[in-house]
This record gives sequence, structure tokens and C-alpha cells, in this order.
Amino acid sequence: SQKIEQNSEALNIQEGKTATLTCNYTNYSPAYLQWYRQDPGRGPVFLLLIRENEKEKRKERLKVTFDTTLKQSLFHITASQPADSATYLCALAHSGGYQKVTFGTGTKLQVIP
Amino acid sequence: SQTIHQWPATLVQPVGSPLSLECTVEGTSNPNLYWYRQAAGRGLQLLFYSVGIGQISSEVPQNLSASRPQDRQFILSSKKLLLSDSGFYLCAWSVVGEQYFGPGTRLTVT
Repeated sequence: SQKIEQNSEALNIQEGKTATLTCNYTNYSPAYLQWYRQDPGRGPVFLLLIRENEKEKRKERLKVTFDTTLKQSLFHITASQPADSATYLCALAHSGGYQKVTFGTGTKLQVIP
Repeated sequence: SQTIHQWPATLVQPVGSPLSLECTVEGTSNPNLYWYRQAAGRGLQLLFYSVGIGQISSEVPQNLSASRPQDRQFILSSKKLLLSDSGFYLCAWSVVGEQYFGPGTRLTVT
């Protein structure tokens, strides 16, 4: 069956360090992969999208990598700040039907001052 | 700019009562529209998505239904709520990939 796995345990890191979150998937051939941020009681906010033919994408302090061989995406936040504390979700868009997107359960990041 | 509205923000309903949640989008045409549910501490579960007026795809068989009477309006309904319908309901729209979410409706079924 299709599965998207994110580390369900919270990730605690010191302010200023780089946070790295992992998204693994099985039995998917995604057209693209996305990362979202969700704060408590709010809807997710789109951060980055990376296509299956792209290896890496950057936006300010954020970097996403996408390895379709390993079936894995890594999400990096450099120079992390307490304001980066949130839950981060990865989402896969299915190839052949890009309208459908499936979300992982998310990883909670806590940046400690 | 595009805006997405959802209402109500919170709702407490007894078991067996009907439900109607509404979502509207402004500033875009022919968006893909989505309804998700998020149980406490859980991920997003896709309930329905729509690529056009009257076109609804259901992902999870349950006592919920969705309708899209207008291009930028998406409605989630139930005739009789169950306790298990409690959760955080999110509407989202997309055009080319990334999704934009509304503020959500917190539904508690008692």
C-alpha cells in the first residue's frame, strides 16, 4: 500500500543550528513533492515544491532535496530560529492525476533559544 | 490576490444532526478544491476534491458528501453526524500544484 512516513517524534534543536526533517514514501510515483508548515489551530502554509526531475530547491533559509531512487525528501532549515517552531508536513502529488495530493503526518520542530 | 474563506470557525453539534460547512475562494478561476479532515494530533485526511463545477471525487467512504454548486464554492455536508466526525476541517484550493488552505472549522460532535 502507499505510505508517506515522517518522523512522528518531535525534533528539538538549538537556535542557530540546521534542522533536517525527513520524508520517506513507498509505492508512489510522485509528480512532485511539497513541504508545508502548520501552526497549532491553523491551516498548513505552502513552503516549497520540488518536481521529480529536480534534485534540490532553495528558498531563503529553506532547502529541499528529492531523491526518487531512495524515495526520500529532506527538508533543511538553516540558522533556525524559535519562530521556525511548528509542524512540517510533506505532501506528494500523484503522477497521472496531479490534482490529488496526499499528506504525511508531519514532524513537530521545536527550536530552543 | 487570492483569498479563501471558511465558516463557521467552530461548531458544536449533537450526534445525528446535519452538517453544512462552506468554503469560498476569491481571486482565481476554475481552481481545484479540496476538503480535508485532521483529527487531533493526526495528519490531513483527504475527503473530497473537485476539478470543476459538479465534479466531485470521494476519497474516503463515510457519511459525508460534498458539492460544488459554483466555480469557487465548495460545500461539505452530512445528513447525520457521528462522534467520529469530530475534527478540524480544512478547505484548500490549487491551480498548478501548491495548495492554499482556509482557516479551518473545528467541529465537535457531542
